[in-house]
Amino acid sequence: NAGVTQTPKFQVLKTGQSMTLQCAQDMNHEYMSWYRQDPGMGLRLIHYSVGAGITDQGEVPNGYNVSRSTTEDFPLRLLSAAPSQTSVYFCASSYPGSGEAFFGQGTRLTVV
Amino acid sequence: AQSVAQPEDQVNVAEGNPLTVKCTYSVSGNPYLFWYVQYPNRGLQFLLKYITGDNLVKGSYGFEAEFNKSQTSFHLKKPSALVSDSALYFCAVRDTNAGKSTFGDGTTLTVKP
Repeated sequence: NAGVTQTPKFQVLKTGQSMTLQCAQDMNHEYMSWYRQDPGMGLRLIHYSVGAGITDQGEVPNGYNVSRSTTEDFPLRLLSAAPSQTSVYFCASSYPGSGEAFFGQGTRLTVV
Repeated sequence: AQSVAQPEDQVNVAEGNPLTVKCTYSVSGNPYLFWYVQYPNRGLQFLLKYITGDNLVKGSYGFEAEFNKSQTSFHLKKPSALVSDSALYFCAVRDTNAGKSTFGDGTTLTVKP
């Protein structure tokens, strides 16, 4: 059982480049979320989804897009990378309601 | 709106002593409350959760948490700390009607031998 799989683990981008962070889960969870983790700022929610075809913005959505065409996948797109997007990105999934979140191992992104 | 506060950036305890990591929350409805632990260069791992019922919740690795509705708190506790408990701990809240969770800023726990 793979759980939540994020790719890539590390990425360096130049300012202005675009890329997609991949997230896949094999637990048939309805809820999926993307967070960024910065020192001293905890986890901040970027976008989330409560099911296939449904997405909503979190606390810091600017500069990011998401889509949820299947239950399993929830990719995060950086449209035009900026140094302020240098961070560690985590994808998480859970059952609705009281279900605890399962996290991927994270993607460490550096924008130069 | 929902929010979580972890008032201590860092908690230091000696091995064998009890530990407490504090968390307070705010939600408009009834809360689901969670504690997670993060070791260096890893994702977060679930420790325990409060849904309803008994205010004292027991979780993994000997941790427990006490839900206090009047104080809107959900403090994480362990009777006897281990050096291996040293990690970053996050409290999270989810409104029962919401599809998203809100996390605190995290508390770094250091247990010294």
